[in-house]
Order: sequence, then C-alpha cells, then structure tokens
Amino acid sequence: DGGITQSPKYLFRKEGQNVTLSCEQNLNHDAMYWYRQDPGQGLRLIYYSQIVNDFQKGDIAEGYSVSREKKESFPLTVTSAQKNPTAFYLCASSLIEATDTQYFGPGTRLTVL
Amino acid sequence: AQKVTQAQTEISVVEKEDVTLDCVYETRDTTYYLFWYKQPPSGELVFLIRRNSFDEQNEISGRYSWNFQKSTSSFNFTITASQVVDSAVYFCALSEYSTGFQKLVFGTGTRLLVSP
Repeated sequence: DGGITQSPKYLFRKEGQNVTLSCEQNLNHDAMYWYRQDPGQGLRLIYYSQIVNDFQKGDIAEGYSVSREKKESFPLTVTSAQKNPTAFYLCASSLIEATDTQYFGPGTRLTVL
Repeated sequence: AQKVTQAQTEISVVEKEDVTLDCVYETRDTTYYLFWYKQPPSGELVFLIRRNSFDEQNEISGRYSWNFQKSTSSFNFTITASQVVDSAVYFCALSEYSTGFQKLVFGTGTRLLVSP
C-alpha cells in the first residue's frame, strides 16, 4: 500500500520539551511538506523540502526544525521556542513537477500540558 | 498575495438535501489551480478535485459537482442528496507560485454536518 504515515496519532508533551513528529512516505515523491492546522483555520505551511538534504521555511517556521536525510522521511521537531505548539500537524508529499497536487498523511495531534 | 475565503463556517442539513459550499479566491496569477479537499473526523485530507484556471467547464463526479466562475472568482462545490458520510470539514485551496514551487493557500474550511 502506497501512502504517507505519521506517528504518533496523539502526542502529549510538557512545556519546555522538544518533541519530534514522524512522517514517512513510500510514494517515491521528491517533495514533502509540514502543515499546522488550528481550530477554525486553514492549513499553514511550516517547512517544505523538494530534495534530500535541502529544505525551505514556509509561512510559520519559527519554533520548528526539520531534516531530510532520506527521500522517504521528513521529521518535524517542535522546539521549546514554539510559543503555542498545541495543534494538529499534517505531513504531505508530492511529485516535484506537481507540487500543488499534494497527498496528505493522517496527522498528529500535539497537546502541550 | 493570494487569498481564499470560505465564508460559511458551518452548515447543517438533513440527509438527502442538496448543499453548496462557497469558495471565493483572489489571485494576480493568470494561470492557477483550484482545489477542494475533504477532511473527515479521522483528520486526513482527502483530495477531491483540481481545476485549471483555463477550464471553466463545470464538473460532475457522482453526487459532487463544481461550479467554476472566473468572472466572480468563485469555485463552489455542491453535494446532491447529501448523506451522513458527507459530514466533514471541506477546504478550498488555490495554488500560488512561490520561490520555485507551487504552494497551496487554504481557506479556513466549512464544516458540514449531515443529520439522518
């Protein structure tokens, strides 16, 4: 089955702790993305990567970091510098020649206690 | 900058009613793409349609239909004979060219509740 997996589904963390969200795809897509979704709001782009070992900031990158060491994987770290990290996080991927046609994972709901 | 407006925050209908979800967009691009996504309670975004700005023909797919009107910058989505399984949040999105790639600009979504 081809698709995108995100783990865990639910994540709880204490204030001041860093936490890493996993995103894996087996669609052989070059491009991958991280979005944040807050209640009543649309998705906002955090980071994206078009190729291994390269990534770019999106609209709300502050307090987040990413890595892209493998084509299949694009983990997102929510650092303690992120002022309001409680949100739903969605990972997506696409072909490099069709970056607007993105396929989404099931998401991770992060709650800061 | 590009913008997508979904003015309807929440719509409630009874099963078998028809319902239209509105989407109005702003863009300076002459070529762009419009999208609709469905987000069921499970959270995953499900792709519904991608429409090129040069193609203004209405599209129908089963109970779903889309009305694209460039003159009013609208891309509305109609569900005919709604069903409980249609309950979800629906997002309209617009492609925007940004530093070498086409990124998606999302509206705030419309929550559709279909009751039996």
